[in-house]
Amino acid sequence: GAVVSQHPSWVICKSGTSVKIECRSLDFQATTMFWYRQFPKQSLMLMATSNEGSKATYEQGVEKDKFLINHASLTLSTLTVTSAHPEDSSFYICSAPHRQGGEKLFFGSGTQLSVL
Amino acid sequence: GENVEQHPSTLSVQEGDSAVIKCTYSDSASNYFPWYKQELGKGPQLIIDIRSNVGEKKDQRIAVTLNKTAKHFSLHITETQPEDSAVYFCAASRGDYKLSFGAGTTVTVRA
Repeated sequence: GAVVSQHPSWVICKSGTSVKIECRSLDFQATTMFWYRQFPKQSLMLMATSNEGSKATYEQGVEKDKFLINHASLTLSTLTVTSAHPEDSSFYICSAPHRQGGEKLFFGSGTQLSVL
Repeated sequence: GENVEQHPSTLSVQEGDSAVIKCTYSDSASNYFPWYKQELGKGPQLIIDIRSNVGEKKDQRIAVTLNKTAKHFSLHITETQPEDSAVYFCAASRGDYKLSFGAGTTVTVRA
């Protein structure tokens, strides 16, 4: 399947600091990408839709000032968790649609964020 | 919004046996139903999907069926192997890639 690269795979930070997570579509362009959050042993919850060249759209209950999204190019979207707190600790996963075999959504490998 | 229910939450099968996971959805406008496999610490991997104009789709040992009238769809894994052990998620979408996921099923294949 299409490859979506996510970096870093894990990060540990102190409370109050900001953390940036990158999501890249390899060998294909993605004008739209999606960011999900997953708590241990739970399902994936959509946080926001990242749109190339325009503002991201956030799902209800997601703080846009806490989770900054930038989609500066057709292959890169970034999620910045600002002023991170322990309750922000979670597994963050990005995804991008690709037309391989019809329109399908492919996911990155995820980023485990631990805030101390 | 869309509500996807998935059952069972855990499933243990003997190697070689079949595994079946069932999902129901609430939004009649949903038209795309993918299934993902997730291993510990990794992102979900698309294993098979089906669109609303198709009733059944098969890919080697994996098959998915869709009943639009009843609004439910199922994943069937035949001849299970230890490497099939993982968490499986069903999802539904209106075609805009905004997936609503089920709660997941932890499948354990006993050798």
